[in-house]
Amino acid sequence: GENVEQHPSTLSVQEGDSAVIKCTYSDSASNYFPWYKQELGKRPQLIIDIRSNVGEKKDQRIAVTLNKTAKHFSLHITETQPEDSAVYFCAAPSSGGSYIPTFGRGTSLIVHP
Amino acid sequence: KAGVTQTPRYLIKTRGQQVTLSCSPISGHRSVSWYQQTPGQGLQFLFEYFSETQRNKGNFPGRFSGRQFSNSRSEMNVSTLELGDSALYLCASSLGGPLAFNEQFFGPGTRLTVL
Repeated sequence: GENVEQHPSTLSVQEGDSAVIKCTYSDSASNYFPWYKQELGKRPQLIIDIRSNVGEKKDQRIAVTLNKTAKHFSLHITETQPEDSAVYFCAAPSSGGSYIPTFGRGTSLIVHP
Repeated sequence: KAGVTQTPRYLIKTRGQQVTLSCSPISGHRSVSWYQQTPGQGLQFLFEYFSETQRNKGNFPGRFSGRQFSNSRSEMNVSTLELGDSALYLCASSLGGPLAFNEQFFGPGTRLTVL
């Protein structure tokens, strides 16, 4: 099955700094990589995703990059704000034509005002 | 559109009991997936239902089962509860076309505590 490793587990930044979270995966057939944000006591919400046919995708202050050769993808948040404080999860699917997502263990991002 | 709803939101059970959790997807969504979230293991996929059939299954014991009704509502059942089953159980719905992935929308979760 798929194995997803996410780093760092905790990330503390000052407001306005950039934050980068990285995930590595093991299944070279994986082709869809979402990122979720989960605020304390709330449900996970998709913030950005990328498919294997592109190397980068941006949405305002958030971007995701994918390196299929190295089997890793990263979440980039620029100009961080206190409301970005949350736990972020990456996910990668298993192979075989179906989608069974394996999640990273999560990164707790703390943005200090 | 109303979001994904889950009932009950909180549940306390004792070891050996069984429990049924319910999930109502977004109108028009035909896929419902279930996840277990714990501090120790993180977010783990249980199973996915599409058009009343289990389409994908994670690596959980047979005590965990589910079903989906014709209106796409889904239930998850856990029998012979163990202390380790204490967790937040999340369901997520998506449009769910076959062999394709669509954005998943999560419900608020059911917090299950096993004493």
